[in-house]
Amino acid sequence: AQKVTQAQTEISVVEKEDVTLDCVYETRDTTYYLFWYKQPPSGELVFLIRRNSFDEQNEISGRYSWNFQKSTSSFNFTITASQVVDSAVYFCALSEAPSGNTGKLIFGQGTTLQVKP
Amino acid sequence: GAVVSQHPSWVICKSGTSVKIECRSLDFQATTMFWYRQFPKQSLMLMATSNEGSKATYEQGVEKDKFLINHASLTLSTLTVTSAHPEDSSFYICSARDGATTYNEQFFGPGTRLTVL
Repeated sequence: AQKVTQAQTEISVVEKEDVTLDCVYETRDTTYYLFWYKQPPSGELVFLIRRNSFDEQNEISGRYSWNFQKSTSSFNFTITASQVVDSAVYFCALSEAPSGNTGKLIFGQGTTLQVKP
Repeated sequence: GAVVSQHPSWVICKSGTSVKIECRSLDFQATTMFWYRQFPKQSLMLMATSNEGSKATYEQGVEKDKFLINHASLTLSTLTVTSAHPEDSSFYICSARDGATTYNEQFFGPGTRLTVL
């Protein structure tokens, strides 16, 4: 069975601190996709990144970076120099390979990040 | 970029009435649409998957007679909450999968907040 675990329910940091959000996943598939979404108070999900199972390269986008390690089934998300606008709920999600299935997303429980000024 | 709209963005109704929520893909054809429900401070839970022209596939524990899903065209799916009760109050989010892509990215609508009095 597929599962995504975000062990950190809430994290509170002070502005300019770095923060890492953890994500551990379980799947029997060899081909799969991992995602991170941001959900601000408005409720609309904002897509941050997609990574397929064959691409273990870390990625950096501005203050955001992602560390994908298949050996530990983790896909962690780091925000460098956090800002108040980063305050939101962050979801990690897992999707099966596209062929032969619906591609539904399995979401983690979410991590609420509060960045204080 | 791919845009998904939902209508209405919020609705308040009396217990026992039915409410219809629309989900539209504005600039792509959505071969598959998904409906999620999110209770306060919880994760997104997949309710059902709908494919254009066929019956929806409901997740375990979701009442298909209560949550009617219709995916009549490649750009429109509707969710009707029949005989709504206060426990149906929730944030309903749809997403659409672009059939032209080779990966499983889903594009999310802004959500509909349902309050049943």
